[in-house]
Amino acid sequence: GAVVSQHPSWVICKSGTSVKIECRSLDFQATTMFWYRQFPKQSLMLMATSNEGSKATYEQGVEKDKFLINHASLTLSTLTVTSAHPEDSSFYICSATPRWGSGSTDTQYFGPGTRLTVL
Amino acid sequence: EDKVVQSPLSLVVHEGDTVTLNCSYEVTNFRSLLWYKQEKKAPTFLFMLTSSGIEKKSGRLSSILDKKELSSILNITATQTGDSAIYLCAVALFQGAQKLVFGQGTRLTINP
Repeated sequence: GAVVSQHPSWVICKSGTSVKIECRSLDFQATTMFWYRQFPKQSLMLMATSNEGSKATYEQGVEKDKFLINHASLTLSTLTVTSAHPEDSSFYICSATPRWGSGSTDTQYFGPGTRLTVL
Repeated sequence: EDKVVQSPLSLVVHEGDTVTLNCSYEVTNFRSLLWYKQEKKAPTFLFMLTSSGIEKKSGRLSSILDKKELSSILNITATQTGDSAIYLCAVALFQGAQKLVFGQGTRLTINP
């Protein structure tokens, strides 16, 4: 149980284009979903917290207009990187906390990540 | 500023050795501490600790929290090459959402 999927697993795009990444909780409803960014050999940096049906809460220094988050249902959140530039190249990981059961709500279950490369 | 610090940052041992990974934290509104293992992709959950002094165990892995010392350790006994990974410590805070603050991770390499 507690499986989170992400799509796509990797994407290469041209500078200036937008890229959408999907995060789905497959076997549970997620109260909250989180989006992280991870640079090589570094830890996870939280970008934003997403609650179903409400606006995302962004961490300091994260541009909300550049990283658009939509949490349309209890099983789906999307991150759109708008007007991507090479410095946006990174590993993006989502996580989700179960709505009920499956352990404490502190436990975040992570998706497999999406590697974005912007040329 | 909430902070989680792990040590060592990197550790190389031989198969069969026992290792201890450390995590210390300075946060407001501590709720729980979690350990994750990250291999090539996303982190997989290992343990969640909320109470001080109670050891959690799963096979060769065990972990304990010391709220007085604001720290936790993760022990791995009889290490195997499959234990090679980055081990992440994270602290959950009492906030509106269950935000996690991650440490830098310990890169563990087990040599045959």
